[in-house]
Amino acid sequence: DSGVTQTPKHLITATGQRVTLRCSPRSGDLSVYWYQQSLDQGLQFLIQYYNGEERAKGNILERFSAQQFPDLHSELNLSSLELGDSALYFCASSDGPFVGEKLFFGSGTQLSVL
Amino acid sequence: AQSVTQPDIHITVSEGASLELRCNYSYGATPYLFWYVQSPGQGLQLLLKYFSGDTLVQGIKGFEAEFKRSQSSFNLRKPSVHWSDAAEYFCAVGANTGNQFYFGTGTSLTVIP
Repeated sequence: DSGVTQTPKHLITATGQRVTLRCSPRSGDLSVYWYQQSLDQGLQFLIQYYNGEERAKGNILERFSAQQFPDLHSELNLSSLELGDSALYFCASSDGPFVGEKLFFGSGTQLSVL
Repeated sequence: AQSVTQPDIHITVSEGASLELRCNYSYGATPYLFWYVQSPGQGLQLLLKYFSGDTLVQGIKGFEAEFKRSQSSFNLRKPSVHWSDAAEYFCAVGANTGNQFYFGTGTSLTVIP
């Protein structure tokens, strides 16, 4: 158990809908990362938050947004969903803001857009 | 631009045999290098990491990796694989520029009894 909790584990929705994925980092970790894993794109970095502020941004679509709350949990919002958004979404946490930190991954949210 | 290449999509080895998974990276400076393992239905777990110093890095579960600057490689090795090592293995490079991780596409390992 990594200590990172992601909910829900599975999500099935329709095109055009909006969903929210939730992540609780490991106790004491201030950084939260979001990744998208799909068969054709592999593991893609989306965005990082550190102590409530956006720290780094990767290949995140404009239809996607995220935030980190004062209690350090994070939410990833996906809107106007398309079939191609179907993927496994991972959250990871680390104690510091820097890229060399060890990441602890949650078990992911499997999103299916029908 | 930073990138990571894992040339082997899938590898099959017999239990007890040695293992080497290849990873090549592209980065302008000395990178932070990582190997992660993903078991089915699970998130990724860190096996080992390299920042600086000794180029041979020891990790968990009996794995090691060697950083070779001249070859831009960071190959993962294990002298004797166990059936429980069957999983997906990801090499990653951490770039201070943009504070991002870049993952390779992964190598799927099958272990034959």
